[in-house]
Amino acid sequence: GQQVMQIPQYQHVQEGEDFTTYCNSSTTLSNIQWYKQRPGGHPVFLIQLVKSGEVKKQKRLTFQFGEAKKNSSLHITATQTTDVGTYFCAGTAGNTPLVFGKGTRLSVIA
Amino acid sequence: DTGVSQDPRHKITKRGQNVTFRCDPISEHNRLYWYRQTLGQGPEFLTYFQNEAQLEKSRLLSDRFSAERPKGSFSTLEIQRTEQGDSAMYLCASSLVVGGLDEQYFGPGTRLTVT
Repeated sequence: GQQVMQIPQYQHVQEGEDFTTYCNSSTTLSNIQWYKQRPGGHPVFLIQLVKSGEVKKQKRLTFQFGEAKKNSSLHITATQTTDVGTYFCAGTAGNTPLVFGKGTRLSVIA
Repeated sequence: DTGVSQDPRHKITKRGQNVTFRCDPISEHNRLYWYRQTLGQGPEFLTYFQNEAQLEKSRLLSDRFSAERPKGSFSTLEIQRTEQGDSAMYLCASSLVVGGLDEQYFGPGTRLTVT
């Protein structure tokens, strides 16, 4: 079945450093979504990417969808302590349900 | 607060007992999802409804699990004869699919502990 893998599993950064998490799917995706889950909280939707090669920005966050629609990345510029949490990618192929990766847990040291 | 509520927030039960969880989605949302999340993992799809119709159920889901969404509003998830391996956070999410965008709003979850 479809699998979604994320790396790294953990990332510790100094405040102000950049952060990137990568997501790879075993199958071609129709779209990919990104969610953020704060410690003790629930996943919160960040963005959905649909088009091959798509790049979207939200303030300090940049999301990319690969040309082959099998990989994606989330880049955070100049991290802040409010960025702490686990970032999940989740992909769907056609009408299949979302398959979530295991997430990348980001710690930001002030 | 996303507008999706779940009840109870915590449930401790003994192995072999039945438990039922409730999810109240955002009122105008037509899709309702159930996920299970364990420590260090992403949410794992269990089942989903489009209005009152249950459209898909995970093949990994034991027949001890059943979900309903009468009248297309709230939903319940029942686990019969609970096992220790059922201990997890059970998340509900709802969405209104528009133009291919399926932005899911998650509830706070029900944490199940089976002793």
